[in-house]
Amino acid sequence: EVQLVESGGGLVQPGGSLRLSCGTSGFTFRNYAMSWIRQAPGKGLERVSTISGDTTYIEYSDSVKGRFAISRDNARNTLFLDMNSLRAEDSAVYYCATHLGSGYGADAFEVWGQGTLVTISS
Amino acid sequence: ENVLTQSPGTLSLSTGERATLSCRASQSVSFNYLAWYQQKPGQAPRLLIYGVSSRATGVPDRFSGSGSGTDFTLTISRLEPEDFAMYYCQQYATSITFGQGTRLEIK
Repeated sequence: EVQLVESGGGLVQPGGSLRLSCGTSGFTFRNYAMSWIRQAPGKGLERVSTISGDTTYIEYSDSVKGRFAISRDNARNTLFLDMNSLRAEDSAVYYCATHLGSGYGADAFEVWGQGTLVTISS
Repeated sequence: ENVLTQSPGTLSLSTGERATLSCRASQSVSFNYLAWYQQKPGQAPRLLIYGVSSRATGVPDRFSGSGSGTDFTLTISRLEPEDFAMYYCQQYATSITFGQGTRLEIK
C-alpha cells in the first residue's frame, strides 16, 4: 500500500522559514515525480511545486518562486519543501502527492498524504 | 494560465438522484489531461477520474467523466450518502491548475 506522511508544519512568524518533509513507502519512489499542493483554510487547491524522479525537472507556482525550494532524497524515499520568507498568505494545509504516471512534468495526483498545517502569524 | 471554472458552486440533491458537475477551461485542454477529485471535510482529496474518463483504482462505476476541448463533466449516476462532498477538476496539459470546486450537498 502506498503511504505518504507529511511532517514539519507549525506556527511561524512572517519572514520565517520552515522545512516540510514527506516520508513515503509502498512504491518505487525514485521512479515518480512528486508535488506539493496546498489548501488555505476554506479555499481551493493550489499546486505549489513539482520535482521529477531524477530531480532534473522542477517547477514552482509564481506565488512561491524564489522563496520555496523542493528537493528529494531517493535513498531515504523522502520529499522536502524548504519554505523561506513566509507570508500570511502561505498559511495552508500542505499536501504531498504522487504523480499518476512515471513521466516528467504535470500529471494527475494519484495518492495524497494527510497534510500538514502551516500557519504564518505574529 | 488555463483557468478552470466549475459550476454550479453548490449543488443540492437527494440520495438516489443523478448529479452533473461542470468544468469549463479558458483554453483547450490537450491530450484529455483533465482529472476530477473528491474531498470530504478534514480529508485529503481523492483522485476519481483522470484522462477525462478513466476511473482511478477503486472508484465505483457510478462515477463517470466526459467531455473534450474546454467543456468537461463529472456525472454521478445515483447518489449515495458518501458522495456528498467537494469536487475539484484539474487540468495537467499546460502546467497544473484546479477549478474552484463544486459543493455537492444533501437536499
